[in-house]
Parts: sequence; structure tokens; C-alpha cells
Amino acid sequence: GAVVSQHPSRVICKSGTSVKIECRSLDFQATTMFWYRQFPKKSLMLMATSNEGSKATYEQGVEKDKFLINHASLTLSTLTVTSAHPEDSSFYICSASSGFPYEQYFGPGTRLTVT
Amino acid sequence: AQKITQTQPGMFVQEKEAVTLDCTYDTSDPSYGLFWYKQPSSGEMIFLIYQGSYDQQNATEGRYSLNFQKARKSANLVISASQLGDSAMYFCAMRVTGNQFYFGTGTSLTVIP
Repeated sequence: GAVVSQHPSRVICKSGTSVKIECRSLDFQATTMFWYRQFPKKSLMLMATSNEGSKATYEQGVEKDKFLINHASLTLSTLTVTSAHPEDSSFYICSASSGFPYEQYFGPGTRLTVT
Repeated sequence: AQKITQTQPGMFVQEKEAVTLDCTYDTSDPSYGLFWYKQPSSGEMIFLIYQGSYDQQNATEGRYSLNFQKARKSANLVISASQLGDSAMYFCAMRVTGNQFYFGTGTSLTVIP
């Protein structure tokens, strides 16, 4: 099956700093990548959808200036949490999809802790 | 409106028994896809099975089968011969026009030895 990697798997940062999370599709070209946020024992909350070479589409309520998404190539998307605050602490998961039926293949997730 | 509902927050099943996880959906799109994902405690989301809205037969993948009842708008996941490693969160998801995905709230499955 398709493999998606995510780096780092865990990160602890201080309040006010920025953190970059990378998402890579290792063995296929992802036309679309998605970024989700998941709170403990909750479902995934879609943050944004990004297509290679174009601006990300953010879901309502997600601050685009705070969560910067770049989809530079068909195999790489990055999420940068700028000026992180403790309330940004969460589990962030990326996914990638390609052709029909467009199933999403997920990365292993990144646990962000802001102190 | 697009909506996907999982009404079972938690389920228990005896090892080697079969279990059904419920999922209902609502969409006005004529073409859609239904997916099930497994999320073990490690956090990774694992794709299990897919059913297209025009597929005539129910999807099967090993011990997983999807009981697709289009008129009832349900897409229940059936896991046969449960194993201890099946203990995890299970999410039902729907893809509609524009490649938009909607996830259910999940069902926590515990397999009892």
C-alpha cells in the first residue's frame, strides 16, 4: 500500500516559537494532501486541503496565518505552526491521496506539545 | 448537507467472534465513496476498506467486509474472527464531490481474550 511519512513524530517547543511539520508521500505522487488535527479520543478535524502548486484551502475557523501550509511538490507538504501557544498542543496528522477512488493514506502523526 | 454518523462510542467483542460497527451517512451527491479506517493507540490511521456508491457488490478485504445498504444509507463494517490486535478506534468516512472527506466520531473497539 501507499506509504506516507511525517516528521517529526514528536516535538516540544516553547510558546511563541514556530514549528514545521513535514508530510511526504514515499511511493506515489499525491495530487492532494490534507492536514488534520485530532484531540484525545476525538475524531479528526480537517484543517486544510492543499493541491500541489496552489494555495491551500482552509476550513472555517482555521487561521491561515497561524497554520501555514506549503505543498511544494507532488510528494511533499509542510505545515508550519507559527507563534505556537499551549492551546496549539495537539496531534497533527497529514494524509495524501492520488487517483480514483481517492482514498487517503495517512502519515503516522505528529504530537506537538507547546510549553 | 453532508454528514456521517457513528452511534457506537464503544464496543466489546470476544476474541474469534464477529463484530459489526455501524455507520450511517447523508449526502445528496449521486456519486460518493465510503471508507473505513483503523486507528490503533499509536495514532496512525490505517485504510481498511472502500465502497463506491455505484458498486453493486459489498466490498471485502480479508476479514473486513462492508455491509452497504444504499437505501438505508448505511455502510457498516463487519470484522470476522476478531483478534486482539483489532482493538483500536475505527472511523467511517465519506468522500463526496470535490474530493471532500467527512469523518465520523469513531467507535472504540475492544477485543476481549
